[in-house]
Amino acid sequence: DVKVTQSSRYLVKRTGEKVFLECVQDMDHENMFWYRQDPGLGLRLIYFSYDVKMKEKGDIPEGYSVSREKKERFSLILESASTNQTSMYLCASSLQTYGYTFGSGTRLTVV
Amino acid sequence: DQQVKQNSPSLSVQEGRISILNCDYTNSMFDYFLWYKKYPAEGPTFLISISSIKDKNEDGRFTVFLNKSAKHLSLHIVPSQPGDSAVYFCAASGRGRGGSQGNLIFGKGTKLSVKP
Repeated sequence: DVKVTQSSRYLVKRTGEKVFLECVQDMDHENMFWYRQDPGLGLRLIYFSYDVKMKEKGDIPEGYSVSREKKERFSLILESASTNQTSMYLCASSLQTYGYTFGSGTRLTVV
Repeated sequence: DQQVKQNSPSLSVQEGRISILNCDYTNSMFDYFLWYKKYPAEGPTFLISISSIKDKNEDGRFTVFLNKSAKHLSLHIVPSQPGDSAVYFCAASGRGRGGSQGNLIFGKGTKLSVKP
């Protein structure tokens, strides 16, 4: 089975801090995605990547950046964390878009 | 504008009864539809999918129906069990650039509660 691993289940960070969320997949998938989930808003796409060094903005990229230096790893970066970035962050990967495999999520609280 | 809509934020059903979760879409180019299930503090997991060339797909207690003319799909769970209590996301995709499959577009989810 494909495994998508997010490095932290829970994080608490201070406003203004630079935050790194790491995601690793073990099945050589080309596509990787970062979403955030908020009550009443569903899953919103932040950034995605089709290949190493490639990245594309999703629906809500403001305040975020990403890095994909290796095929298996896709990092989400909050340059200067703000309280409105408190959310559940979900990483996913896919070989084709027919089905995504999600990680367990990182619950980030910015205080 | 939302391309995939789940108009019911929540649904409560008695154990043993049928649960019907609905999803509407606006983009006629969508050709693949999926349902994901999500428990609190976990990532979504794939449940069932259907291609636009079909109108029904069944997997155990779960059946997805697709009505292309109405741009509507539904997930039926029979019989419902307390362990089915979760948030269910509908998702759709269509051909993107270069003919490759585009990204999944998710609905906002429906929270299902199955009461014993």
